[in-house]
Amino acid sequence: GAVVSQHPSRVICKSGTSVKIECRSLDFQATTMFWYRQFPKKSLMLMATSNEGSKATYEQGVEKDKFLINHASLTLSTLTVTSAHPEDSSFYICSARDSQYEQYFGPGTRLTVT
Amino acid sequence: EDQVTQSPEALRLQEGESSSLNCSYTVSGLRGLFWYRQDPGKGPEFLFTLYSAGEEKEKERLKATLTKKESFLHITAPKPEDSATYLCAVQDTSGTYKYIFGTGTRLKVLA
Repeated sequence: GAVVSQHPSRVICKSGTSVKIECRSLDFQATTMFWYRQFPKKSLMLMATSNEGSKATYEQGVEKDKFLINHASLTLSTLTVTSAHPEDSSFYICSARDSQYEQYFGPGTRLTVT
Repeated sequence: EDQVTQSPEALRLQEGESSSLNCSYTVSGLRGLFWYRQDPGKGPEFLFTLYSAGEEKEKERLKATLTKKESFLHITAPKPEDSATYLCAVQDTSGTYKYIFGTGTRLKVLA
C-alpha cells in the first residue's frame, strides 16, 4: 500500500527559531502533496497544496512567509515554520496524492514551541 | 462552498452494540467521499472511497454507504479496538484535488 513518512515525529524548538518538517512518499510518486494543521480534538485544516516543481497554493488566512513549502521532487515536500512562536505549536500532517486522486497521510509531526 | 458535517461528535458504545456515523455534505460536484480512521497522535488511516450514490464498501466490521447528500459508516458488533476518531472528507470536481474534512466522530467502544 501507499506509505507516507514524516520527519521528525516530534520537535521542540525555542521561540524565534525555524523548524523544517519533511514529508516523503515512500512507494509512489506524488505530484501533489498537502499540508494540514490539526488542533486538539479538532479536524484537519488544510494549509496549502504543494505541487512538484511549482509554487505552493496557500489557503486563505495562512501566511506564506511564515510557512514555507518546497516540493523539489516527486517524493519529497518540506514545510518550514519560520520564526516560530508558541501559537504555532500544533500537530502538522502531510498527505500525498496518488494517481487515483486518493490522499495517503503521514503519521504527523508534533511541534512544540517554547 | 463545499461543507461537510459529521454527527454525532462523540459516541460511546458497548462492545457488540452496532451503530452508524453520519457524514452530510454539500458540494458543487462530488468527485469522491473518503472515510479515514485516526488514532490519537497519529495521521489518518485510509478506510474507504465512495464515488457515486448507491455505492457501498465493506471492510471487516465497517460498511460505508453513499447517497446524494450523505454517507453513513456502519459499525457492526464493534470491539474496543475500533475506538478512534472517524473522519469524513469530500473532494469536488474543481480539479484542485483538495479534501474538505468534517470535524470527525470520536468513537469509544467499552468492553
